[in-house]
Amino acid sequence: QSALTQPASVSGSPGQSITISCNGTSSDVGGYNYVSWYQQLPGKAPKLIIFDVSSRPSGVSNRFSGSKSGTTASLTISGLQAEDQADYYCTSYRSSSTPYVFGTGTKVTVL
Amino acid sequence: EVLLVESGGGLVQPGGSLRLSCAASGFTFDDFAMHWVRQAPGRGLEWVSGISWNSGFTVYADSVKGRFTISRDNAKNSLYLQMNSLRTEDTAFYYCTKDRGYQWNYETRFEHWGLGTLVTVSS
Repeated sequence: QSALTQPASVSGSPGQSITISCNGTSSDVGGYNYVSWYQQLPGKAPKLIIFDVSSRPSGVSNRFSGSKSGTTASLTISGLQAEDQADYYCTSYRSSSTPYVFGTGTKVTVL
Repeated sequence: EVLLVESGGGLVQPGGSLRLSCAASGFTFDDFAMHWVRQAPGRGLEWVSGISWNSGFTVYADSVKGRFTISRDNAKNSLYLQMNSLRTEDTAFYYCTKDRGYQWNYETRFEHWGLGTLVTVSS
């Protein structure tokens, strides 16, 4: 069962915007508008930051935004801050025997 | 405040068994589906298993099917994962997570996470 494809690392300077892609197929990302994104700070448990492609849970900064086009979902972090340095994972339902698949993960570095 | 606390991890030999527990509080436990997600040290996240609010529907990743069993006790606000025939590749932090609704489906999201419990499979 192959994971969704994310870039291994993305970096940016404070204040810049960065975008993380999440590439899937028509059986997962492309077939459902229920992509979610998770932030994992070093040594911590993951935290939900985007759900249903572009919705934010209460308390999550509006600097985080999500979108989807075809079989690729994207997470954009605007106004990059040092506290955004973390690993980010996308996930989607997949119409297969293993119904949930995570992305390979992206390490965000703030320069 | 939603709180999920995993326990039961430890060192076990290949072929051995272990039972993980997750104590839930801060929400109406029997209103929500629950899941286990794991993460090998230094690696990415992998969904393991899910269970509906009333235990009526369970689902497993192909990698653990036939070896792991998920269950819950709503009277005790607890989730469990029975792991048998453990392999070295099962070594990971295991997280208990809460779903958005009573049944796992294509709308599932992992809204809340515990801190995890480490399972190490090694001889």
